[in-house]
Amino acid sequence: GAGVSQSPRYKVAKRGQDVALRCDPISGHVSLFWYQQALGQGPEFLTYFQNEAQLDKSGLPSDRFFAERPEGSVSTLKIQRTQQEDSAVYLCASSYRTAGPYEQYFGPGTRLTVT
Amino acid sequence: AQTVTQSQPEMSVQEAETVTLSCTYDTSESDYYLFWYKQPPSRQMILVIRQEAYKQQNATENRFSVNFQKAAKSFSLKISDSQLGDAAMYFCAYRIVSNFGNEKLTFGTGTRLTIIP
Repeated sequence: GAGVSQSPRYKVAKRGQDVALRCDPISGHVSLFWYQQALGQGPEFLTYFQNEAQLDKSGLPSDRFFAERPEGSVSTLKIQRTQQEDSAVYLCASSYRTAGPYEQYFGPGTRLTVT
Repeated sequence: AQTVTQSQPEMSVQEAETVTLSCTYDTSESDYYLFWYKQPPSRQMILVIRQEAYKQQNATENRFSVNFQKAAKSFSLKISDSQLGDAAMYFCAYRIVSNFGNEKLTFGTGTRLTIIP
């Protein structure tokens, strides 16, 4: 079946603009994660949903970052008033189970460049 | 806080040879999961192998195996019979045993593996 998809794949924003990044998880996957990957670094956790409930948002770097998953499937990560330090690849991942050493399936990411 | 360290930013290996990628981690938890993920240039991260900390036996998946040393907090990945398709960034990752809401992966900084034909 289809994997995790993300759109857009590339986004260029001028400093101060708002952006919205979309994630379509694998159908039936309960858990959804957002990670931020700066150039040359490993992914860093941003936030986690179990169905529509946002259970952990401890990784969101500021109140300019907001994520939602209103119907427990598609999720949107919104960044308001973008700044240059927001430039990174934003990865979405989903998993079917919530317990055990389950696999998180990753999307291809959205590369955000703030100019 | 848990941390994951990969001390080898880059590694290279001749095709068909064996290579070992290093990973150490710091945690006060006694039970947790460890993973190796591969990220090819296309950026889609895929799982290579996983290890449950309570299991003493090292995990193996075809040409990929781990050396899990719990006391030393070490989790290295061995790739045997290296193939051109193994070229990628490899990330070591850690996750605590699931508590409600604590599902996140903590990643290392990665090791870029080059396969020499």
